[in-house]
This record gives sequence, C-alpha cells and structure tokens, in this order.
Amino acid sequence: EAGVAQSPRYKIIEKRQSVAFWCNPISGHATLYWYQQILGQGPKLLIQFQNNGVVDDSQLPKDRFSAERLKGVDSTLKIQPAKLEDSAVYLCASSGRGPEAFFGQGTRLTVV
Amino acid sequence: GNSVTQMEGPVTLSEEAFLTINCTYTATGYPSLFWYVQYPGEGLQLLLKATKADDKGSNKGFEATYRKETTSFHLEKGSVQVSDSAVYFCALTGYSTLTFGKGTMLLVSP
Repeated sequence: EAGVAQSPRYKIIEKRQSVAFWCNPISGHATLYWYQQILGQGPKLLIQFQNNGVVDDSQLPKDRFSAERLKGVDSTLKIQPAKLEDSAVYLCASSGRGPEAFFGQGTRLTVV
Repeated sequence: GNSVTQMEGPVTLSEEAFLTINCTYTATGYPSLFWYVQYPGEGLQLLLKATKADDKGSNKGFEATYRKETTSFHLEKGSVQVSDSAVYFCALTGYSTLTFGKGTMLLVSP
C-alpha cells in the first residue's frame, strides 16, 4: 500500500512570495490533515478535512494560508504572502477507519 | 480542550539502558492514545497505539499502557539501541482531531 505522498520535499522562498504544497493521501482515506511543525516543537494542526469538507481550521492563519481538497482526494496548502515565521516543516497525514493517522515525509519550507 | 504533556528532553542513555518517557493527557471522553517517532529529516511514524483503558500497545520492543486513572501513557523499552535515537511524540485523538505533545528527544550512545 502506498503511503502519503508530499511534494516538494524542500522549498526556499523569499518573504512576501507565495508557495504551494501538494499532498496525496493513502487511497480510500477520508480524513486529511495539514500540520505545521516548527523546529523543536510538536506538530500543530492547521486544517483537517473529512472528504472535501473542512472539519477544523481554527488554527489556520486565514489571512495568508489557504487549503483545498478537491474531489476529496488530493490537497494543496498555499501560503501567500510568506513571512519569515512560516519557516517550518509542513506535514500532511491521512486516516481511514482506524483512529491513527499516517504521515508523509513533509515539506521543509525556508523563508529568507 | 485536549492536551498532551511530555517530559522534556533530551533524554541521554547508554546502549542497553532502560527507557521511560512520561506522557500525561487531558481529554474529554475516551481518547485513543499514540506514540509516534520521528527520525531526522523524516515524517512521523506510528510506533504504537492503545484505544481503550488498560490496553497495552507494543512494537519493536517499545510498550505503553493506557492508564485512565492517572491519565498517562508512558513509553518504555527494556534495552535501547543507538538506532532508537529520535524524537518521540505522544498524541491523542478525541472525536476527530489528533493532538500532539511537544516531543522528547532520545539520544543513545554506544
């Protein structure tokens, strides 16, 4: 069974530029999460989808971050414009029938 | 809301030593509990889980028991290896959202 796929693995951008990350969850998984992990900290939930509906986006900075999950499968997370404090690893995860979530390798974003 | 508290690291051990990483939680209802491990430059991997009180999750020599009376889910391993060096995250899920602790770094020396 293929795991959660994310791209790109690494991205370096200048502040005020925009960036997008892509995630393909495990086939058949209805729930998809985007987490932000700042160096030395635990993952912080940005947004959770159930199929193509949003379950929780309370910690998503909506003035600059947006996410969508078209057709309830792939998802994209966008930052526009980026700030220095957005430098982090962005993790995508998915879950199916069970309570556990499975993570991709993450995208490391550096904003300079 | 739900929250997870882990002991601060780094935890530094010699190979073959006994490991305990403490984890306590606050949650409404009956959460499922997890330990995830993160190796350098990698995403999180599920290490073990427990879905109800008194369940013991185990994998690769690691164990943790869901203690509802003390709201704890401590991670243990009888004999650590250098390859166990990583960051360990305790997590829980209530009705939907997966919440993580801050992580505990484990460093094992030969």
